[in-house]
Amino acid sequence: EVQLVQSGAEVKKPGESLKISCKGSGYTFTKNWIGWVRQMPGKGLEWMGIIYPGDSDTRYSPSFQGQVTFSADKSISTAYLQWSSLKASDTAMYYCARHWDASNAFDIWGQGTMVAVSS
Amino acid sequence: DIQMTQSPSSLSASVGDRVTITCRASQSISSYLNWYQQKPGKAPKLLIYAASSLQSGVPSRFSGSGSGTDFTLTINSLQPEDFATYYCQQSYIYPRTFGQGTKLEIK
Repeated sequence: EVQLVQSGAEVKKPGESLKISCKGSGYTFTKNWIGWVRQMPGKGLEWMGIIYPGDSDTRYSPSFQGQVTFSADKSISTAYLQWSSLKASDTAMYYCARHWDASNAFDIWGQGTMVAVSS
Repeated sequence: DIQMTQSPSSLSASVGDRVTITCRASQSISSYLNWYQQKPGKAPKLLIYAASSLQSGVPSRFSGSGSGTDFTLTINSLQPEDFATYYCQQSYIYPRTFGQGTKLEIK
């Protein structure tokens, strides 16, 4: 079964760092881009950017450039989203999703990781 | 960035109804338009890609059309499980922006 499994919910304080993960299985992880999507509480979907695990090439949305960092470890089929200094406004659900070239869309989604930032 | 605008933002309908949701792009995106369904507490699910291609496993009551800047998602004979929020997304250029969503509620 093709799936993406994300790490568990996090509760952090402003200024702390954080790295969440997205592990792929059931397909060749290095052959498809992995995207990250933010959903703030009660709001819509925001495209943050994508990473190609094969060579770690990245594309960031201008809205998120410099605010987050994407990385990947292809040896363990895992993509990461990290923050160096969290803000309260980073409180949201974060989804990873596989970009499937044939459809040019996100066809497989992780279950989401809830990040809560509060003092 | 390309702006994606959905209308309506919400609508009420009954089981068995036919509903149409519209998505407009701020510039031409050819047929690079996807539709997703999201239920409360769940990850989004791909329904339609390339404006009109049905994703594998998605019921045929869902259909998509359009090209250029104007697109529609149509759901024929609404089923109880179709009440959810629907998002369009352009896959033409980066960033691959989403519409703001359309919440489909039971009348």
